[in-house]
Formats: sequence, structure tokens, C-alpha cells
Amino acid sequence: AIQMTQSPSSLSASVGDRVNITCRASQAIRNDLGWLQQKPGKAPKLLIYAASSLQSGVPSRFSGSGSGTDFTLTISSLQPEDFATYYCLQDYTYPLTFGGGTKVEIK
Amino acid sequence: EVQVVESGGGLVQPGGSLRLSCAASGFTFSIYSMNWVRQAPGKGLEWISYISSSSSTIYYADSVKGRFTISRDNAKNSLSLQMNSLRDEDTAVYYCARGGGPSPFDYWGQGTLVTVSS
Repeated sequence: AIQMTQSPSSLSASVGDRVNITCRASQAIRNDLGWLQQKPGKAPKLLIYAASSLQSGVPSRFSGSGSGTDFTLTISSLQPEDFATYYCLQDYTYPLTFGGGTKVEIK
Repeated sequence: EVQVVESGGGLVQPGGSLRLSCAASGFTFSIYSMNWVRQAPGKGLEWISYISSSSSTIYYADSVKGRFTISRDNAKNSLSLQMNSLRDEDTAVYYCARGGGPSPFDYWGQGTLVTVSS
């Protein structure tokens, strides 16, 4: 199975900060990668698909980049509602695999 | 409005069985693949099963292979997960999520909690 290594596992940031979260695949997955946001007690929400495409309704401060094995989720200016846990997901091949998650906390 | 709603969770003893359901509405269910994803308490997300739109292709995670069975009824816009030989480590919130299309995993249900305990 493809392993998705996500880093950091947690970070503290302030409102207005630029935040980068990375995901590395154990083998090349083209651009078959999504980013999801999850708030406590809620279902995950898709932010980015195909590595860099913004899901409808998601604010433009979220962006994704990368292909092959290395991917990045960027939040250009962190807002109060962005404090959550973020996961990457490879949908290149089965079994699908998630990264371990990055918890973004208030500094 | 697209909706997926899971049901069927509950408390079950180790070795027992449970059947989860996912009711879909607001989209043409029969043309989308579907997935089950679970999340153990305080842990990350784990994909566990996929079914294609016509049920012709099915995949499972190794952790549930041979114990869980995914199925769908396109006439009823419903997805199911039959879970047998349940173990303590199967305790989790189970989500169904729409697959396929340009943006897979774009819609998720609210989840249903399965607790395996004696």
C-alpha cells in the first residue's frame, strides 16, 4: 500500500499567518491527491482535489500544489474558522490511504 | 441538495455483526462510485471499502477483508456495509463518501458510531 507521510503532525499559528502542510507519497501518484479539513465532531470536508483544484465553495486562501510524490497545502492567511485537522488522501490506487493528519491550533 | 445519511451504528459485542446503511439523495446515485471510511476515537481517517457504480468492482482494506461486505442498491439509492466478526479495533465512526467524478470524496455523511465492546 502507498504510505502518505504528512508533516507536521501539529502546528500553532496566528490569525493571518501563512501555513504550509506537506504530504509525501511512498511512490509516485501523479496528481491523484486530495486535501480534506475536519473539525471536531464533524465529517471531513474536501478542500482540494487533483492536487491543485479548489473544490467549489472553498475560499481561495486555500491552495494545493505538487505532483508525483510531494504535495503541499497552503493557507495564505489563516482565519479563525481554519483551526482544524487537515488530511491528505491519495486516490491513485487501492487501497486508498490518508496521511496521518495535521492539527492546526491557535497560537 | 446532495445528501448522504448513514444509519445502523450501535453497540455490539466482539464477534458480533452489524449492518450499516447509507441513503443518498440529490444526485444520480447510479453513476457514482461510493466509499466507506472510518475513524477510531481520537485517531485519523482510514479508508475501508470501495464499490463502483455498477457494483462490478469492489475493494477492501486489509484490516476488514473477509469480514466486511460492501453492497449497493441503485434502485433504492442506498449503500450498505455488512460487518461480521467484529473486533474491539473496529470501534469507530463510519462515514460513507461519494467517489468518482472529477472531485472524489466531495460529499460525506455525518457518520454513524459503531462500538464493539463486551
